[in-house]
Amino acid sequence: DIQMTQSPSTLSASVGDRVTITCRASQSIGSWLAWYQQKPGKAPKLLIYKASTLESGVPSRFSGSGSGTEFTLTISSLQPDDFATYYCQQYNSDSTFGQGTKLEIK
Amino acid sequence: EVQLVESGGGLVQPGGSLRLSCAASGFKFSSFWMHWVRQAPGKGLVWVSRINSLGSSTTYAESVKGRFTISRDNAKNTLYLQMNSLRADDTAVYYCAQIRGGGNESPYWGQGTLVTVSS
Repeated sequence: DIQMTQSPSTLSASVGDRVTITCRASQSIGSWLAWYQQKPGKAPKLLIYKASTLESGVPSRFSGSGSGTEFTLTISSLQPDDFATYYCQQYNSDSTFGQGTKLEIK
Repeated sequence: EVQLVESGGGLVQPGGSLRLSCAASGFKFSSFWMHWVRQAPGKGLVWVSRINSLGSSTTYAESVKGRFTISRDNAKNTLYLQMNSLRADDTAVYYCAQIRGGGNESPYWGQGTLVTVSS
């Protein structure tokens, strides 16, 4: 099974900050990686797919990069609505999620 | 508008069984692969199972293999998850999610249904 490791587990930041979340795969997954945002009590929302493609309707301050085993999600200028938990998902072989990164207000 | 509506959750005793349903609308259900994903209270997302569009190919996480069965009825636009030999660590909100054609990402999710395994 492919394991996904996200870091950090928790991130404290302020409105306007630039933040980066990292996801590492235990083996190469090409570009078969997605990023989701989840708020309490809600279903996950797709932000990025194929490592760097922005889902329709998602603000351009979100971006993704990477391939193989190392991936990043960057939010260029945090907005109040962005404080949530973020998950990476590999879908090269079945599917696996990272353990999540909780983005908190500093 | 794409809609996925899960049902069938509830309280069940350890060792018991439950069948979850996911009613799909707003898209051609028979053309899309589907996932089940779960989330224990306060924990992260965990992939459970996947089924292809015809229902002829299925895969499972190791933690549920042999106990859970994913299936679908394309005539009824409904996805199922039969859960047997339930354990306390199966307690979670269970989501169904559409798998986008050409990729495997999930742009559409249901609202989830809570399964609680407890005596």
